[in-house]
Amino acid sequence: AQSVTQLGSHVSVSEGALVLLRCNYSSSVPPYLFWYVQYPNQGLQLLLKYTSAATLVKGINGFEAEFKKSETSFHLTKPSAHMSDAAEYFCAVSLGGGKLIFGQGTELSVKP
Amino acid sequence: DTEVTQTPKHLVMGMTNKKSLKCEQHMGHRAMYWYKQKAKKPPELMFVYSYEKLSINESVPSRFSPECPNSSLLNLHLHALQPEDSALYLCASSQGGQETQYFGPGTRLLVL
Repeated sequence: AQSVTQLGSHVSVSEGALVLLRCNYSSSVPPYLFWYVQYPNQGLQLLLKYTSAATLVKGINGFEAEFKKSETSFHLTKPSAHMSDAAEYFCAVSLGGGKLIFGQGTELSVKP
Repeated sequence: DTEVTQTPKHLVMGMTNKKSLKCEQHMGHRAMYWYKQKAKKPPELMFVYSYEKLSINESVPSRFSPECPNSSLLNLHLHALQPEDSALYLCASSQGGQETQYFGPGTRLLVL
């Protein structure tokens, strides 16, 4: 069965520090992987997606993620955190047929 | 344009009321989705429409009734809801399959 695990329900970083949000997946087929961000009282916004092209995927707002098949990981990074990055982040894997399996989410806090 | 719109933004209803949530997309997407999201949790899939036909119903109680009048519109009819149904209801659309789902801003529902 396909699943997604996000390590750390809450991550806190200082402004300007590296952001690293972890996501591991299990999939019996080549996965389509996504990172979404959700700001308070808003819907989900696509940050980036992996669809078996380049393993390093660049997204919006300076975020990127690297697909590592050997580690079954798709961690999200940003070199320098900004206060506006504070939000909930969800990693998701697509099962096809319209089903997305979400991780439990990671809340990112950014300290001034 | 990757916009999905939802109305209303907020809704308060009693347990005997009947109300409807509306969702619209003009991206030519052939699949549309309803999700329910409780606080600090990932979205949970409720229904999937593909080519205006219901393709997935995730065992949702019958007090929730989806409707897809045409390829751009998706409704969720609510009747005799319970307080535990209070949540953020998100609509999404995509080209189907494993393609990216684009989310609306959601309707915040409170059932009294």
